[in-house]
Amino acid sequence: DGGITQSPKYLFRKEGQNVTLSCEQNLNHDAMYWYRQDPGQGLRLIYYSQIVNDFQKGDIAEGYSVSREKKESFPLTVTSAQKNPTAFYLCASTDRVGTEAFFGQGTRLTVV
Amino acid sequence: RKEVEQDPGPFNVPEGATVAFNCTYSNSASQSFFWYRQDCRKEPKLLMSVYSSGNEDGRFTAQLNRASQYISLLIRDSKLSDSATYLCVVNTPGFQKLVFGTGTRLLVSP
Repeated sequence: DGGITQSPKYLFRKEGQNVTLSCEQNLNHDAMYWYRQDPGQGLRLIYYSQIVNDFQKGDIAEGYSVSREKKESFPLTVTSAQKNPTAFYLCASTDRVGTEAFFGQGTRLTVV
Repeated sequence: RKEVEQDPGPFNVPEGATVAFNCTYSNSASQSFFWYRQDCRKEPKLLMSVYSSGNEDGRFTAQLNRASQYISLLIRDSKLSDSATYLCVVNTPGFQKLVFGTGTRLLVSP
């Protein structure tokens, strides 16, 4: 079945550590996105990528980094520079003609 | 002005009621519009796309008003299972990114 997979589902990070969240899709979609959602809030765009080896900052990119070495993969690294990383992280993908976005099940990151 | 704005609610309605949500967008060149539903602690899922001519899917009707730059979602005969957060999504010109509204929370009570 085609879809988008995020892992892990839950992640705990110590202060000062970098962690990487995985996002893989087998939908052959060109565009991929990372969003952050805080409790009771909407989705805020962190980074997005339209093609391999290219990505753009979203509204809240500080403290995050991404790569897009393969079409199907768009990992997000939460660096120690992100001061308040505890949140629900969602990865999504779309094809280039503006149709619906497909989401992964999300990763809940908690700083301990 | 935010790119996409929604009334956060919550909207508290009894079963069987009709409820409507609006969402405004700032970029007049936006081309694609969607309504998503998000249940608590879950990922958003597509409810329906919004077309210029309006579209209906069972109890749900979506409309687009380009002149006033808003989209709407109408839910008729509300069910308890309709309780969720409804997110408005706009795709900017060139399909470069999806912009989400903050969502409108709906609570349907018996």
